Amino acid sequence: GAVVSQHPSRVICKSGTSVKIECRSLDFQATTMFWYRQFPKQSLMLMATSNEGSKATYEQGVEKDKFLINHASLTLSTLTVTSAHPEDSSFYICSASPVQGGYGYTFGSGTRLTVV
Amino acid sequence: AQSVTQLDSQVPVFEEAPVELRCNYSSSVSVYLFWYVQYPNQGLQLLLKYLSGSTLVKGINGFEAEFNKSQTSFHLRKPSVHISDTAEYYCAVSDGQAGTALIFGKGTTLSVSS
Repeated sequence: GAVVSQHPSRVICKSGTSVKIECRSLDFQATTMFWYRQFPKQSLMLMATSNEGSKATYEQGVEKDKFLINHASLTLSTLTVTSAHPEDSSFYICSASPVQGGYGYTFGSGTRLTVV
Repeated sequence: AQSVTQLDSQVPVFEEAPVELRCNYSSSVSVYLFWYVQYPNQGLQLLLKYLSGSTLVKGINGFEAEFNKSQTSFHLRKPSVHISDTAEYYCAVSDGQAGTALIFGKGTTLSVSS
């Protein structure tokens, strides 16, 4: 079945530094990848939609200069949290949709970001 | 825009009892509906999905859901729950257009006790 690998699973960084999270589709090509954010005991909130080779589309209220998304290939999308602050601490989850055939969303296992 | 409403934030139930987790969606011409489960500090696991066809959808771990277009509902049911079913459950919707994201409800915490 379709597998999405997300790395790292946990990361602790100092305030002011940047952190990169990778999302890879292992056995299928993903036209579109989605990034979500989940605060403790809350639901998943869509942050942005990225399409291979084009700029990401950000949801209202999400700072595109802070959350840089790059979808350089059909199997890799990255989310970089720039100049991280404690309020950026959250659980980040990516999801991918296949290029062709089938319909579905495959989710990564998530990244727990803690900014200290 | 699509949206889903999960009507219960918490559902406590005893082991081996039946359970229903309720979900209503905003009406649209086409709608795809999903139920996911999330255990603490883990990602999402797909329980089941409705794309088209039979309105009764069977999923993993003994769960099933029924798509009801007239009531715009997609309630999740299990006839007999186990302690291990304790988790957060999310209903999600998509309009089926290529490149559109899943939109999630606020979640329902299912707590199964002995």
